[in-house]
Amino acid sequence: DAGITQSPRHKVTETGTPVTLRCHQTENHRYMYWYRQDPGHGLRLIHYSYGVKDTDKGEVSDGYSVSRSKTEDFLLTLESATSSQTSVYFCAISVSGDEQYFGPGTRLTVT
Amino acid sequence: GQQLNQSPQSMFIQEGEDVSMNCTSSSIFNTWLWYKQDPGEGPVLLIALYKAGELTSNGRLTAQFGITRKDSFLNISASIPSDVGIYFCAGQKTSYDKVIFGPGTSLSVIP
Repeated sequence: DAGITQSPRHKVTETGTPVTLRCHQTENHRYMYWYRQDPGHGLRLIHYSYGVKDTDKGEVSDGYSVSRSKTEDFLLTLESATSSQTSVYFCAISVSGDEQYFGPGTRLTVT
Repeated sequence: GQQLNQSPQSMFIQEGEDVSMNCTSSSIFNTWLWYKQDPGEGPVLLIALYKAGELTSNGRLTAQFGITRKDSFLNISASIPSDVGIYFCAGQKTSYDKVIFGPGTSLSVIP
């Protein structure tokens, strides 16, 4: 158990509304990641963080922003949700620079 | 971008049978990771491989780091119903570099 929680676990929202997903870790690991998982695409990296206030874009960052004001929390924001952002979102941490450990996921539906 | 291919895409086997699946890439990786995902859960790390030719076991699971560094293999011996899930491979070039995930192999075990 890597001590990762995600909230909310499920959310339904309307197109155009802002949405923030939270990832919380209990072990002060420096690297944290946000992925989305869609059928046929596996896990795709959205954004990642390598420290407080240090973030960078991943493969599918358009339409998403992130913030990390504390080591333990990494927030993912959809400024104006679209139906194409309906997905399952996973947060992960890196313990040793290579092995990543995942949270339980957030299922987001944009109607 | 970098892509990993996994085969087979899905497989249906009888309980007690052995399973083999593989992951290939056009790029060289220095770390290979294998994950399993149960329905509604986040991926769980099964095995990590760090050296070309390395063979590592975790219970009934055995994974190999291909000599070319462009592939990896996962074998499951004497399958049981709880082996059902999606198996993902992932590759990484250097520590703290982005991890690239394959699309997954879906395993179903028939009792």
